Amino acid sequence: NAGVTQTPKFQVLKTGQSMTLQCAQDMNHNSMYWYRQDPGMGLRLIYYSASEGTTDKGEVPNGYNVSRLNKREFSLRLESAAPSQTSVYFCASSEGDEQFFGPGTRLTVL
Amino acid sequence: DQQVKQNSPSLSVQEGRISILNCDYTNSMFDYFLWYKKYPAEGPTFLISISSIKDKNEDGRFTVFLNKSAKHLSLHIVPSQPGDSAVYFCAVLYNNNDMRFGAGTRLTVKP
Repeated sequence: NAGVTQTPKFQVLKTGQSMTLQCAQDMNHNSMYWYRQDPGMGLRLIYYSASEGTTDKGEVPNGYNVSRLNKREFSLRLESAAPSQTSVYFCASSEGDEQFFGPGTRLTVL
Repeated sequence: DQQVKQNSPSLSVQEGRISILNCDYTNSMFDYFLWYKKYPAEGPTFLISISSIKDKNEDGRFTVFLNKSAKHLSLHIVPSQPGDSAVYFCAVLYNNNDMRFGAGTRLTVKP
């Protein structure tokens, strides 16, 4: 089992460009999440999906959209990237209280 | 407003000694608490959790203590090992799916 996988590992964007971060899990979990981690701060929830077909805003959703494509996949889209979105992005999945995290995507917006 | 606070950004201990990592929270309605461990260039991994109906949970070298009246929890690692060197995040489960994290404490265990 690969667990939670994320692509790409690294990405550099220019301000205003768009991109989609991909996440997939092979643990048959219902819930999936997107977090961002900034220096000196904990992980902050951007969006989550409690089940296939549903998505909800977390603590910091502005500037992002998500798609729960199927039970395995949950993507995060930046329509018009801003320097404030420079961060490390983590995807996670869960079936109970424990969340399983992917290795992260380091995004830099110039 | 930070709902989960880890006031010590770093902690250094000698191998074999006890490591104590602390966490404070603001909302007395929080009822499930977790600790995650993170190595560089990896995602966080679950370490141990505790429900508000308990005041202690133990798993091998790791023990979490919960003081509800003080809104404080702590993670004890005994004995500490060099492989425990990582960033430790305290988290609370808020509204079923919404987890809030502290800023983390970087633990260094010296041989």
